[in-house]
Amino acid sequence: DTAVSQTPKYLVTQMGNDKSIKCEQNLGHDTMYWYKQDSKKFLKIMFSYNNKELIINETVPNRFSPKSPDKAHLNLHINSLELGDSAVYFCASSARHLGGNTIYFGEGSWLTVV
Amino acid sequence: AQTVTQSQPEMSVQEAETVTLSCTYDTSESNYYLFWYKQPPSRQMILVIRQEAYKQQNATENRFSVNFQKAAKSFSLKISDSQLGDTAMYFCAFMKQGWGKAGTALIFGKGTTLSVSS
Repeated sequence: DTAVSQTPKYLVTQMGNDKSIKCEQNLGHDTMYWYKQDSKKFLKIMFSYNNKELIINETVPNRFSPKSPDKAHLNLHINSLELGDSAVYFCASSARHLGGNTIYFGEGSWLTVV
Repeated sequence: AQTVTQSQPEMSVQEAETVTLSCTYDTSESNYYLFWYKQPPSRQMILVIRQEAYKQQNATENRFSVNFQKAAKSFSLKISDSQLGDTAMYFCAFMKQGWGKAGTALIFGKGTTLSVSS
């Protein structure tokens, strides 16, 4: 059973299109994240939700809109895709447990904008 | 704001040897966690080791150990008996303590690419 699963794993699309990436976790965690890894492999937090509520929103263009229908799901919708949006997008989740936070990552969604 | 610095973009080591990856961080927080993640070419993010700042004892996981120097804000990773499968990019990461709506997330360094050769 995959703990944090993302779909699709690969996505090639044209500039100007709108696309979504879905994420689900079956760990019972209450916090979920979206990270972006750019072409230089730099990882940066984009958004975080706790119990469906947005708690972190870094300086991300408003073309990116996260949605959390419940605490097990966090989707990322991107409007008007640009070449610079090409990256690997990671979903992750975490929960308090004895000793502190541990963050679990999905396998990543490779987005290529052409 | 917190920052994480990995000063070695690339490292190489021979099989069975020991290698140390460096990481420094900057924070004014007193309660936080430090992590090393491994990312092989598949791009999967694999947690290697975790250290709680309040613990003086250095964390160890099999062949992986850390040297945590809180006053110096240094958190290096030592890989003993290196194996070909250790070839990957390694990220050092910081996370301040915070629960629920306190809004905490991992802050990553730029990574160190480690190559293990036979």
